[in-house]
Amino acid sequence: DQQVKQNSPSLSVQEGRISILNCDYTNSMFDYFLWYKKYPAEGPTFLISISSIKDKNEDGRFTVFLNKSAKHLSLHIVPSQPGDSAVYFCAASPYNTDKLIFGTGTRLQVFP
Amino acid sequence: DTAVSQTPKYLVTQMGNDKSIKCEQNLGHDTMYWYKQDSKKFLKIMFSYNNKELIINETVPNRFSPKSPDKAHLNLHINSLELGDSAVYFCASSHLGQNTEAFFGQGTRLTVV
Repeated sequence: DQQVKQNSPSLSVQEGRISILNCDYTNSMFDYFLWYKKYPAEGPTFLISISSIKDKNEDGRFTVFLNKSAKHLSLHIVPSQPGDSAVYFCAASPYNTDKLIFGTGTRLQVFP
Repeated sequence: DTAVSQTPKYLVTQMGNDKSIKCEQNLGHDTMYWYKQDSKKFLKIMFSYNNKELIINETVPNRFSPKSPDKAHLNLHINSLELGDSAVYFCASSHLGQNTEAFFGQGTRLTVV
């Protein structure tokens, strides 16, 4: 039972354009959401997060949007850079726990 | 200066053996975790320790035993290794409490043959 889903296993975007990575969840008890970036042979690295009381959080080129009614969040990267090429994991944390439940990841490739 | 470090990075062993993976964090965090990423790329929590006490124990076989000698270390010992244990194991740490991000180690790729 996959509670956090990333339905696009891969995404290819041209440098300078916007990358949009999507994530859906099923558990209404999730109240904190995170995006992690992972390079090969490295551990996931925290990128950006959002609390369920917000619908948007921005950090430089990265913006996370949360639509609670649709149980959907997305990560926007603009402008995309070749160094952004990595696997991006969406994660969610249930209320009152520090457990992270991860999606299966989306491989982003940014080409020149 | 690595924040969360795991050793070894690669581990190849035969079925039935017992092995350990070590993890240390120098971030001053009080909570540490073990996650497993299987062949389908699912990254799932196994254990969570806070100040050396077990907080989360997902349905993991009791062949897996975490040990936390102090709050900066969380080692994972696996007895009687099976083929299905082959995966990448990630250690992570965070501050106690909800709404905090976890910092991950580089992972240990375990291959059981």
